Amino acid sequence: EPEVTQTPSHQVTQMGQEVILRCVPISNHLYFYWYRQILGQKVEFLVSFYNNEISEKSEIFDDQFSVERPDGSNFTLKIRSTKLEDSAMYFCASSALASAGELFFGEGSRLTVL
Amino acid sequence: AQSVTQPDIHITVSEGASLELRCNYSYGATPYLFWYVQSPGQGLQLLLKYFSGDTLVQGIKGFEAEFKRSQSSFNLRKPSVHWSDAAEYFCAVGIYDKVIFGPGTSLSVIP
Repeated sequence: EPEVTQTPSHQVTQMGQEVILRCVPISNHLYFYWYRQILGQKVEFLVSFYNNEISEKSEIFDDQFSVERPDGSNFTLKIRSTKLEDSAMYFCASSALASAGELFFGEGSRLTVL
Repeated sequence: AQSVTQPDIHITVSEGASLELRCNYSYGATPYLFWYVQSPGQGLQLLLKYFSGDTLVQGIKGFEAEFKRSQSSFNLRKPSVHWSDAAEYFCAVGIYDKVIFGPGTSLSVIP
């Protein structure tokens, strides 16, 4: 069964460092998403991406964040200068359709900022 | 603004008992509606979804949900809970190019 894969599963970084989280969506999907879940809290929408551009982003997704699909298979989330409050589980998801479609989630990347 | 509320932060039920998890949404039109489950340390798995048509939808693992337009609700039900159903349950709505999640309900199951 096709699945969304994310790497790394856990990353520890120092405050102020750049972090790149990687995702390989399901191959025939067209819509890609990043979500964040701070420990014990709700799953928060960060950004959606379609046709090689951001289609929607939340207020959390400020200038420190960026996404790209560099090679047609990977979908990356970059945090330029990490802050303590960026510590969270980051989930990548993909869908064959927009909001009407089922989101398929990866297992998540846990980011710990020290 | 669009929002999803799940009034119950934590619910405890006995194994074999029935379950209902509540979800309400605030949106100008009827959104697409979903229930996801998250086991500890895991990603999110879709239980069921409502797009249109029959307001009672069946999902995986014996779950069902009923859409009630008049109450802006999409409550999740299961007639007989199993110990393996202990998890976090998220109601979600699909609006344009994003899916918004509710705060979640944590389900504990007593043997």
